[in-house]
Amino acid sequence: DAKTTQPPSMDCAEGRAANLPCNHSTISGNEYVYWYRQIHSQGPQYIIHGLKNNETNEMASLIITEDRKSSTLILPHATLRDTAVYYCIVRPVNTGGFKTIFGAGTRLFVKA
Amino acid sequence: DTAVSQTPKYLVTQMGNDKSIKCEQNLGHDTMYWYKQDSKKFLKIMFSYNNKELIINETVPNRFSPKSPDKAHLNLHINSLELGDSAVYFCASSPYFDNEQFFGPGTRLTVL
Repeated sequence: DAKTTQPPSMDCAEGRAANLPCNHSTISGNEYVYWYRQIHSQGPQYIIHGLKNNETNEMASLIITEDRKSSTLILPHATLRDTAVYYCIVRPVNTGGFKTIFGAGTRLFVKA
Repeated sequence: DTAVSQTPKYLVTQMGNDKSIKCEQNLGHDTMYWYKQDSKKFLKIMFSYNNKELIINETVPNRFSPKSPDKAHLNLHINSLELGDSAVYFCASSPYFDNEQFFGPGTRLTVL
């Protein structure tokens, strides 16, 4: 079972920042927060992950609260191509990748 | 260059048949996976595999079997296909068991 809670859908205006929240109140100390997205009819795409520090890469930023019970994925300048389902996943290390459990995700609509 | 490729993209077959889906990755990764995405769009892991270890999701029927001729390939064999096997199947790979995963484009299987 997924250990995260995400809103089912969100809208964002093109060019604005998209802030996607994720609650993971039962996260354990050895669990990472991962974000993937799935654009319609494609395979999931890795975005970013973190343990407790904020992370940034060319795609997005990940803000994790100090108590690690929630996080926010930030797409700084959303484009129409960012319309997708975004999945927040928490999983421990050394599990054979087996705990990469996808929930329902958040369907992000970027509008012109 | 396609990082993770799957063939065929679409597969339509009759109940009771045996079929295979092929997966190849050219990323030099050690670990590969198979996922099933059902009609409700939930992604569920079926197998994770590297040269040393196969981990099987216990909910997967033994009609499904992964076969790896070499490190770059992980094929999925399905025997005695059933209507409920209709889904999109995704192959993925990662450098090691616990890194971010790279997904293929998916194979849409329809069992009639």
